[in-house]
Amino acid sequence: DAKTTQPTSMDCAEGRAANLPCNHSTISGNEYVYWYRQIHSQGPQYIIHGLKNNETNEMASLIITEDRKSSTLILPHATLRDTAVYYCIVRFAGGTSYGKLTFGQGTILTVHP
Amino acid sequence: NAGVMQNPRHLVRRRGQEARLRCSPMKGHSHVYWYRQLPEEGLKFMVYLQKENIIDESGMPKERFSAEFPKEGPSILRIQQVVRGDSAAYFCASSPSPVDTYEQYFGPGTRLTVT
Repeated sequence: DAKTTQPTSMDCAEGRAANLPCNHSTISGNEYVYWYRQIHSQGPQYIIHGLKNNETNEMASLIITEDRKSSTLILPHATLRDTAVYYCIVRFAGGTSYGKLTFGQGTILTVHP
Repeated sequence: NAGVMQNPRHLVRRRGQEARLRCSPMKGHSHVYWYRQLPEEGLKFMVYLQKENIIDESGMPKERFSAEFPKEGPSILRIQQVVRGDSAAYFCASSPSPVDTYEQYFGPGTRLTVT
């Protein structure tokens, strides 16, 4: 799976949009971009994923650049409950490695009142 | 629809004892994954199982660790002769399919402390 690079930490004011970047310059054509988060010491929570097109769901939006070498997770109106570690994961579609998720260090997002 | 269940939530073992961690996947899910999170570290994949089969155990330590997912009942991660370095949070996840378009749903984890 391609390697991802994320900032170690970010801050955001409550009610504002949180934009979390991820670099995955070595991504290949059959690899998806996934985002998970881990709140405190809970189990990771799926947020969103995409291949080429931008995606939106009730939690967030995912913007993938045209060359697919980077992406941005957008939390449109951050709340204190969004304080968590956010993981950007590139996942190979197929083969014997299709099952596992490879977590990096992630970005610690702190939402301030 | 109940989520992924893990028990116990906290487990304390003395060095040399055995630890058994259980994971019940979400209803309808037949694929289970185990991950370990050492203190102050990221999550690391350990093993991927389907019912009665180990598909990928590339992240499992070579000794003392084993996993199973029987036809009936929960998936079990077994650690024999635990050492202090095994102290960690162990998370299990499940999915209906290994296909990448399906996300994995994680349980709350089992915190293992070895004294």
